[in-house]
Amino acid sequence: ETGVTQTPRHLVMGMTNKKSLKCEQHLGHNAMYWYKQSAKKPLELMFVYSLEERVENNSVPSRFSPECPNSSHLFLHLHTLQPEDSALYLCASSQVSLSNNEQFFGPGTRLTVL
Amino acid sequence: SQKIEQNSEALNIQEGKTATLTCNYTNYSPAYLQWYRQDPGRGPVFLLLIRENEKEKRKERLKVTFDTTLKQSLFHITASQPADSATYLCALEAKGGSYIPTFGRGTSLIVHP
Repeated sequence: ETGVTQTPRHLVMGMTNKKSLKCEQHLGHNAMYWYKQSAKKPLELMFVYSLEERVENNSVPSRFSPECPNSSHLFLHLHTLQPEDSALYLCASSQVSLSNNEQFFGPGTRLTVL
Repeated sequence: SQKIEQNSEALNIQEGKTATLTCNYTNYSPAYLQWYRQDPGRGPVFLLLIRENEKEKRKERLKVTFDTTLKQSLFHITASQPADSATYLCALEAKGGSYIPTFGRGTSLIVHP
């Protein structure tokens, strides 16, 4: 176990549903990330919460909405998704420093949009 | 534009041989480069980090080299085993303290017994 948990592990939803993905880190890290991984594509950074700032990839559609209530918890709220949003959604945490930014990943949520 | 390139074709090797994977990049000034291993249906796991001023790093059967002139990192697994079969990802973090790594798409390694 990496110290990063994600729920649910699998999610099937229709295009009109609203759901949320949850991530929790037990490592005391100061940064948390959401990544999207589609088949044959690189990991795509969606959002970062680091040192109480939020950074987002401007290409991420507004139907994805992150929430970070504290340094240990991260959510990704989903609404009116499209079939092309089906992918593995990975959460990661790290202790940001000038010398290292090792990412600790959760097991991911496999999302299928019908 | 910035690019990180890893071989998209799977690397097939025989058990006991050395596997060598390549990560090339363009238009980056990297602070450091990381290598991760990812098994199917699971998140990547960190293996090694090498800084821009380091030429080589070793950890057990793993060796990473970093050539900032060639803009390339090589990842070696010596005495490879079937359990080493996985996808290996490289990730770059640029200078400037963005704390945001950019990942390559990964290369699949298959070690045959």
